[in-house]
Amino acid sequence: DAGITQSPRHKVTETGTPVTLRCHQTENHRYMYWYRQDPGHGLRLIHYSYGVKDTDKGEVSDGYSVSRSKTEDFLLTLESATSSQTSVYFCAISPHRRTYEQYFGPGTRLTVT
Amino acid sequence: KNEVEQSPQNLTAQEGEFITINCSYSVGISALHWLQQHPGGGIVSLFMLSSGKKKHGRLIATINIQEKHSSLHITASHPRDSAVYICAVREGSNTDKLIFGTGTRLQVFP
Repeated sequence: DAGITQSPRHKVTETGTPVTLRCHQTENHRYMYWYRQDPGHGLRLIHYSYGVKDTDKGEVSDGYSVSRSKTEDFLLTLESATSSQTSVYFCAISPHRRTYEQYFGPGTRLTVT
Repeated sequence: KNEVEQSPQNLTAQEGEFITINCSYSVGISALHWLQQHPGGGIVSLFMLSSGKKKHGRLIATINIQEKHSSLHITASHPRDSAVYICAVREGSNTDKLIFGTGTRLQVFP
């Protein structure tokens, strides 16, 4: 199994509070991705990173920001959580964006009340 | 209309049956992925293919680029195959991004 961990695994927070989710990898892969998974939708890309300090937006980036100051860590921040951000969040990594599979972390279940 | 459509959405089978899950897409792609999501939530990559057919154990994945269609077959299905199977495509050849289907939930009963 690829060495990917996510923390926390579960979180309940109140509307309006800031939340940071962490993705940590031990594979030294260049590419990292944050997705959210909601019923009736496929996994949707929030943000991704193609190197330290290099990030770009996905299709559902509004309300989210990311940072990557080290190869191994990719942080997803909800500046002011809303109920619509209740979801399961998955981090994924890939050694090469086009020719390799993506390896997924275990997921973080976030509930915003 | 979603760019990636899977059918059926739900599938039940008896142990030992041959299973087929279908994926159709509407965009030009450079690769197609099949993923498995276990009841506990973990997601595992099963196959990545851009042409032809791949086999791993009891799993077979095929793709027809002209018809924009892929199938995932499970031979001699087993209750441990119960999971959600997800199709995803990489659009074009110059993108990092995958477009995911909504998944097919498979339940295999003993």
